[in-house]
Amino acid sequence: AQSVTQLDSHVSVSEGTPVLLRCNYSSSYSPSLFWYVQHPNKGLQLLLKYTSAATLVKGINGFEAEFKKSETSFHLTKPSAHMSDAAEYFCVVSDPPFGNEKLTFGTGTRLTIIP
Amino acid sequence: KAGVTQTPRYLIKTRGQQVTLSCSPISGHRSVSWYQQTPGQGLQFLFEYFSETQRNKGNFPGRFSGRQFSNSRSEMNVSTLELGDSALYLCASSLGTDYNEQFFGPGTRLTVL
Repeated sequence: AQSVTQLDSHVSVSEGTPVLLRCNYSSSYSPSLFWYVQHPNKGLQLLLKYTSAATLVKGINGFEAEFKKSETSFHLTKPSAHMSDAAEYFCVVSDPPFGNEKLTFGTGTRLTIIP
Repeated sequence: KAGVTQTPRYLIKTRGQQVTLSCSPISGHRSVSWYQQTPGQGLQFLFEYFSETQRNKGNFPGRFSGRQFSNSRSEMNVSTLELGDSALYLCASSLGTDYNEQFFGPGTRLTVL
């Protein structure tokens, strides 16, 4: 079975400083990995996805993630945090035989931006 | 293009009752997936429907059921509600083929008293 572990439940950074949200995965297959963001009282929005093409994936709003098979990691980064980045972030893996319609979510990382 | 819509947005029920939630996917999408989000268990996959057939299923009891109509709209039903069913229920739609992205709705907040 596929699983993801988000290593930090809460991350606080100052506005304008880099963001690092950590995620490790476990998969019997070549995984499809995603990062989703959830703002308060809003639905989930896809930030980026990895599907075995380039290992460095660029997403929306300046976010990117690097797939490292040797470390089984898929960490999310952003060079400079903005106040609007404050939200809950989920690392997600899909179950390849089941396409992308059956997603397994990590426990989430709440990102706080300090003015 | 309109996004995924869910109705109602908020719902309050009492234990033992049943509830039906509705999800309208993005036009042209044939797959609808349902997820439950709680503070304790996080986001968990319930089931997925594609072309009116349940294609994937999570580990939830039989009290949780769903269906999909010919226009791809989907409903989720929970019977004999328990306090632990209080959650945000999210649905997501996708084309359902070739590992396409899922688009999520805003969710239905269910409170069981």
